[in-house]
Parts: sequence; C-alpha cells; structure tokens
Amino acid sequence: QVQLVQSGAEVKKPGASVKVSCKASGYSFISYYIHWVRQAPGQGLEWMGLINPTGGRTSYPQKFQGRVTMTRDTSTSTVYMELSSLRSEDTAVYYCAREVPTVTTRYLDDWGQGTLVIVSS
Amino acid sequence: DIQMTQSPSSLSASVGDRVTITCRASQSITSYLNWYQHKPGKAPKILIYAASSLQNGVPSRFSGSGSGTDFSLTISNLQPEDSATYYCQQSYKTPRAFGQGTKVEIK
Repeated sequence: QVQLVQSGAEVKKPGASVKVSCKASGYSFISYYIHWVRQAPGQGLEWMGLINPTGGRTSYPQKFQGRVTMTRDTSTSTVYMELSSLRSEDTAVYYCAREVPTVTTRYLDDWGQGTLVIVSS
Repeated sequence: DIQMTQSPSSLSASVGDRVTITCRASQSITSYLNWYQHKPGKAPKILIYAASSLQNGVPSRFSGSGSGTDFSLTISNLQPEDSATYYCQQSYKTPRAFGQGTKVEIK
C-alpha cells in the first residue's frame, strides 16, 4: 500500500532552517507529484508547493518564494522540504501528500503523518 | 492567483441533520475542486474530487456539487464522527489554494 513517512519533530531557533523528509513507498515514486501543506496552530491548511519527482521541477506560491526549497532523491524515493529564515509564524505541522491525476481533476490522495516544527528562541 | 472563499467558517448541528458548506472560487476552475476532511492530530482525508465524485470508502452521506466558481459540500444525516474541519481546494492551477475551512461541531 502507498505510504508516506515523514521525519520527526524539530525545534528550531528563529533565523535557522529546517529540512523535513518524506519517504514514499508502495508506488512508482517518479510517477506522482508530491505536495507540501502546513497547518499552523489555530489556522487552516496552507499550500506550500509541489515537486515533480521525475525531473525535480517545483512550483511555490509567492509567499514562500526564496524561502522554501523542495528536492527529491529518486534513489531513496524521498522528497525533502527545506524552509529557511524561520520565524515564530512558521510553527506548524507540515504534511507531504501525493497527488493523483484523473481524467477530470487531480487531488491529494495519500498523506504523510505530519511533522511538527516549532520555532522558538 | 485563484482565491477560494468558504462559508460558513463554523457551524453546529445535531445528529441526523443535513448541513451544507459552500466554496467560491475567484475565477472559473471548471470542476477542479476537491473537498477534504481534517480531524485534529490526523492527516487530511480526501472526500470528494472533481467537485462531485465520491472517493472510495467515503460514506454516501457526503456529496458535492457545482462547477465553474460555485461549489458545495453536503453532509446528509450528520453523524458524530463527522465532527471535523472541512476544506475545499482548487486543483485547476498553481498555487493550489485551500479555502479557509469550515469547522463542523455536533450539538
């Protein structure tokens, strides 16, 4: 079965960077985009971007341009999300999710378990 | 960028009630609209894709409708386990914005 297993919780100081991993199994890794979504305490879901594992092409919203970097390692079927210049507002649970395309749409079908990142001095 | 506006932000209803959540896109997204259920401490779960297609394994009391800019999610015969926050998300183009969420509480 499809599994996305994320790395463990992190505590970082303001200004530092964090790199969260998402290891995929149970399907052809290069065939499906991976997205990153976060939820800050008391807030809604926020889309952070996607990566195409085939060629590594990425797409980020303007809000995170210059601060987020998504990469992949096809040899280990792992996707990484690195967020730099952390501030307290980046405290959140970060999720990776696999996008499934259909004839009429595409949606996030399988999700990682979430990684809590706390930014605190 | 496409903006997604959900309403209401929260609602409270009784077991057995029928509730409807609406989602409006700032421009046409045809049927590229998905609905997710999110419970505390768990990963979000896909309920409805392509505006009206029920994901395998999701109870038939969940239904979706709409196209273009206006969409809705209906829960018929509300059950205690439906207590959650529900999000719409457009998958028409990037950035793939979510709605603000609707928290459903069971009275």
